[in-house]
Amino acid sequence: NAGVTQTPKFRILKIGQSMTLQCTQDMNHNYMYWYRQDPGMGLKLIYYSVGAGITDKGEVPNGYNVSRSTTEDFPLRLELAAPSQTSVYFCASSYNVGQGPTSGGYTFGSGTRLTVV
Amino acid sequence: AQKITQTQPGMFVQEKEAVTLDCTYDTSDPSYGLFWYKQPSSGEMIFLIYQGSYDQQNATEGRYSLNFQKARKSANLVISASQLGDSAMYFCAMSVYGNNRLAFGKGNQVVVIP
Repeated sequence: NAGVTQTPKFRILKIGQSMTLQCTQDMNHNYMYWYRQDPGMGLKLIYYSVGAGITDKGEVPNGYNVSRSTTEDFPLRLELAAPSQTSVYFCASSYNVGQGPTSGGYTFGSGTRLTVV
Repeated sequence: AQKITQTQPGMFVQEKEAVTLDCTYDTSDPSYGLFWYKQPSSGEMIFLIYQGSYDQQNATEGRYSLNFQKARKSANLVISASQLGDSAMYFCAMSVYGNNRLAFGKGNQVVVIP
């Protein structure tokens, strides 16, 4: 019963480096999301996907890219890392709220703590 | 666009007492869902409770209940009989049906003291 799995859990990047945060879900959710959480703040949506092959920008997409080649996987790519991208990143998945089962709401991964130095 | 407001400062609560966390929201869409999440110091996001905009009754899940006042656009979380393990940040969030993009408030810090 894995739910949403994110890797890595921690990462330190140097300015200008690139990396990919991995996210996999095994609940057959069609919707997937990437959020970032800055210290003392709520979560802000970076990108989301409504199904394989379909992605769209959220509130704070600059500096990031995503792809959704399968229902299960939704990787987040950071190009040219900057200190402003130091944050905790959460991947999440869900059914179509209001139509599918809502008792579990959105399922979140355990997060990736990223520091850019 | 949805907007969630949580403005209470950090709260100290005596163990076994009840605590109410305020949340107001703003949307022009009539079909939406409201959520509360708990984030302990370990960092994971734990789903607590859900309320649909068309639900006639307030949602309850164990010690958690949601005081839904639709006309006031208010969705307060009530935690009854607080336990030390309830110490955490609590986030209110909402999602419009069909949109599914979950928007979060800034959170309420709760510390339960023995």
